[in-house]
Amino acid sequence: QVQLQQSGAELVKPGSSVKISCKASGYTFTSYDMHWIKQQPGNGLEWIGWIYPGNGNTKYNQKFNGKATLTADKSSSTAYMQLSSLTSEDSAVYFCARLRTGWEGYYFDYWGQGVMVTVSS
Amino acid sequence: DTVLTQSPALAVSPGERVTISCRASESVSTLMHWYQQKPGQQPKLLIYLASHLESGVPARFSGSGSGTDFTLTIDPVEADDTATYYCQQSWNDPFTFGSGTKLEIK
Repeated sequence: QVQLQQSGAELVKPGSSVKISCKASGYTFTSYDMHWIKQQPGNGLEWIGWIYPGNGNTKYNQKFNGKATLTADKSSSTAYMQLSSLTSEDSAVYFCARLRTGWEGYYFDYWGQGVMVTVSS
Repeated sequence: DTVLTQSPALAVSPGERVTISCRASESVSTLMHWYQQKPGQQPKLLIYLASHLESGVPARFSGSGSGTDFTLTIDPVEADDTATYYCQQSWNDPFTFGSGTKLEIK
């Protein structure tokens, strides 16, 4: 069965960076886009961007250009997101989600459990 | 960006029918999807492409709409349906989500 297992919670200092992971299993990792979504406490969901592990292509929501960097390691079927120059506004839960694509369209069919990132001195 | 507007909260009794609406600021064709999120959990796909029921999701859930107006219907509602429901569009770049409708079962 498809599973997306994310890394554990992070407590990081303002101005630093953090790299969180999303390990995929149960499907061909290189055949599906992996997306990342932000959810601030009590708030809705915000799309960050995607990576296609098959060739490393990425696309970002303009809002997260320079903030998020997406990478993927095919050998371990793991996607990564690095967040840089962290501020309190980056404190949130971050989800990875697989994009199912078909001729009719595309949508998120599987989600990781989320990683809580807390930015605090 | 495409703004998706949802009513913030609803409260219904078990056995009732509930409709949750989502209005898009511009057409998204039928590339609208619905997710259920319970506290402390990840979102779960319920309906994709406006009206297609995801495998394993009870037939009590259904979706309809196209263009700018969409609805998620739960009939009949059960106590376990307490959650926040989000719509999400994948027609326009960037993908966007509604702010969520919190459903309370009385």
